[in-house]
Amino acid sequence: AQSVTQLGSHVSVSEGALVLLRCNYSSSVPPYLFWYVQYPNQGLQLLLKYTTGATLVKGINGFEAEFKKSETSFHLTKPSAHMSDAAEYFCAVSTQGAQKLVFGQGTRLTINP
Amino acid sequence: GAVVSQHPSWVICKSGTSVKIECRSLDFQATTMFWYRQFPKQSLMLMATSNEGSKATYEQGVEKDKFLINHASLTLSTLTVTSAHPEDSSFYICSASGWTDTQYFGPGTRLTVL
Repeated sequence: AQSVTQLGSHVSVSEGALVLLRCNYSSSVPPYLFWYVQYPNQGLQLLLKYTTGATLVKGINGFEAEFKKSETSFHLTKPSAHMSDAAEYFCAVSTQGAQKLVFGQGTRLTINP
Repeated sequence: GAVVSQHPSWVICKSGTSVKIECRSLDFQATTMFWYRQFPKQSLMLMATSNEGSKATYEQGVEKDKFLINHASLTLSTLTVTSAHPEDSSFYICSASGWTDTQYFGPGTRLTVL
């Protein structure tokens, strides 16, 4: 069975600072990995995904993530935080593409002016 | 592209009544649709998976007779909460996937049962 652990339920950074949201996964087969963002009272928006190939994945809004198999990690980063980045971020894993996603508990990102 | 809509966005109903929530894929054909439930400040919990024209597959612990799912076409799935009670109050989110390896999520429906 797959599982996802997001380290830190709440991360706070200053505007313009580096954003780092941590995600570790467990999977017995090569995983599909996703980061989604959720704004208050809204659904989830796909930020980026890793399926195969290049391990550094670039997504929308300046975010990127690197798949590190040896560390079973898929951390999300953004060089410079913007106020509009404040939201809840979910890491998810699947072993069958778009089938049955397993989500982490989420990380709430707060941006300080 | 890959837009998923839900209707209604919020609903308030009396205890004992049934509520239907629609999930539509607007610009792609969704071979599979998923229904999730999200409690405040928590992650998403998968309730069921439905393939077009087939019966839904429910996750362990989800009552099939209470949460009726229909996926009658490649663009529409419905979730009916039957005989709703206050404990069914929650944020319900659907997602859809077509021929790609990604689920696209709807905006969610907030259900409040009085």
